[in-house]
Amino acid sequence: DAGVIQSPRHEVTEMGQEVTLRCKLISGHNSLFWYRQTMMRGLELLIYFNNNVPIDDSGMPEDRFSAKMPNASFSTLKIQPSEPRDSAVYFCAPNEGALRGYTFGSGTRLTVV
Amino acid sequence: TQLLEQSPQFLSIQEGENLTVYCNSSSVFSSLQWYRQEPGEGPVLLVTVVTGGEVKKLKRLTFQFGDARKDSSLHITAAQPGDTGLYLCAGMRGSYIPTFGRGTSLIVHP
Repeated sequence: DAGVIQSPRHEVTEMGQEVTLRCKLISGHNSLFWYRQTMMRGLELLIYFNNNVPIDDSGMPEDRFSAKMPNASFSTLKIQPSEPRDSAVYFCAPNEGALRGYTFGSGTRLTVV
Repeated sequence: TQLLEQSPQFLSIQEGENLTVYCNSSSVFSSLQWYRQEPGEGPVLLVTVVTGGEVKKLKRLTFQFGDARKDSSLHITAAQPGDTGLYLCAGMRGSYIPTFGRGTSLIVHP
């Protein structure tokens, strides 16, 4: 959806490297989800921001993962250091309310070798 | 343990056939959504159901929310190759944080 732009679309990195995934919200929104999708585990919630503040980060795997939402138009998810088990597709989606549904970006496919 | 169980996991059918996929849970949801995801893209919302027993139709797709709001089904009539994709259900339990099932991967052969 053009309202959510994720970059990069694909990222291949070596184990131990830092990776930063970006999410741009064209219309701006102060509430945002980050999800991770794998074949084994499906779509898992990583973190939920509301009013640009992390409300629920219980899904963040460990301290290697961090996320920020400095304003209503932008968020980042950083992994440092990256590991092969972090390989997945990462999605962001603004929270537009349960009845309206959620508009996902096209995702970032991360491969850690 | 997955909060939302979807079945079947995989489905491969011929064009023109009918199919039903299921989304089951032991938890009650305030609302439930169905999404379709195509390769290389994010999930796209198909429908939201809110009321127990609710039935919604979207062209050849019929969605039903269980009376107890614990389960849902998606029925596709006369499937077409364009229906190919991963069908995901997502439940909301009061909060605005959706919990997703693992999905049903559907392939419709011409």
